[in-house]
Amino acid sequence: DAKTTQPPSMDCAEGRAANLPCNHSTISGNEYVYWYRQIHSQGPQYIIHGLKNNETNEMASLIITEDRKSSTLILPHATLRDTAVYYCIVRGNTPLVFGKGTRLSVIA
Amino acid sequence: SAVISQKPSRDICQRGTSLTIQCQVDSQVTMMFWYRQQPGQSLTLIATANQGSEATYESGFVIDKFPISRPNLTFSTLTVSNMSPEDSSIYLCSVAGTGVQPQHFGDGTRLSIL
Repeated sequence: DAKTTQPPSMDCAEGRAANLPCNHSTISGNEYVYWYRQIHSQGPQYIIHGLKNNETNEMASLIITEDRKSSTLILPHATLRDTAVYYCIVRGNTPLVFGKGTRLSVIA
Repeated sequence: SAVISQKPSRDICQRGTSLTIQCQVDSQVTMMFWYRQQPGQSLTLIATANQGSEATYESGFVIDKFPISRPNLTFSTLTVSNMSPEDSSIYLCSVAGTGVQPQHFGDGTRLSIL
């Protein structure tokens, strides 16, 4: 599976958009980009995934660059409950392999 | 998505003993996995639980230490054997359908070894 690079931590003001970047320059053609988050003391929560087109659901938007070497997860209006570790994972037909993720702190 | 229940949710055990963790899913799933999360760390894949056959273990994990069963499409167990303080972790069950369908996770079993 391709390796991903994420900043270790980010801050975001409550009510503002949180933009979480991820680099995955070695992604293969059949690998998808997945985003999960883990709130303290809970199991990882699936957020969104995509192959090459931008995706949106009730939780977030996923923007994937045309060359697929990077992506951005967008939480449009961050709340305090969005404070968590966010994981960007590139995966084909294999189990998820977690990196260290980005610790997002939403500040009031 | 599937509802995943793990038992126990937490336990405190004596070193040298073994504990079996159960994972029950409310619907049939193709894939089941077990992960470990050590304190302050990310998740590490232990093994893929295969129905009716031996689990597929990742490098650094062996069947004698982490025996896994999967008798059907909704249930799996992970045993942590001959526990030591280094086994203190959160153990998580994860499930997925076929192909690139997202994996989903239970809330894990928080295990402390004294």
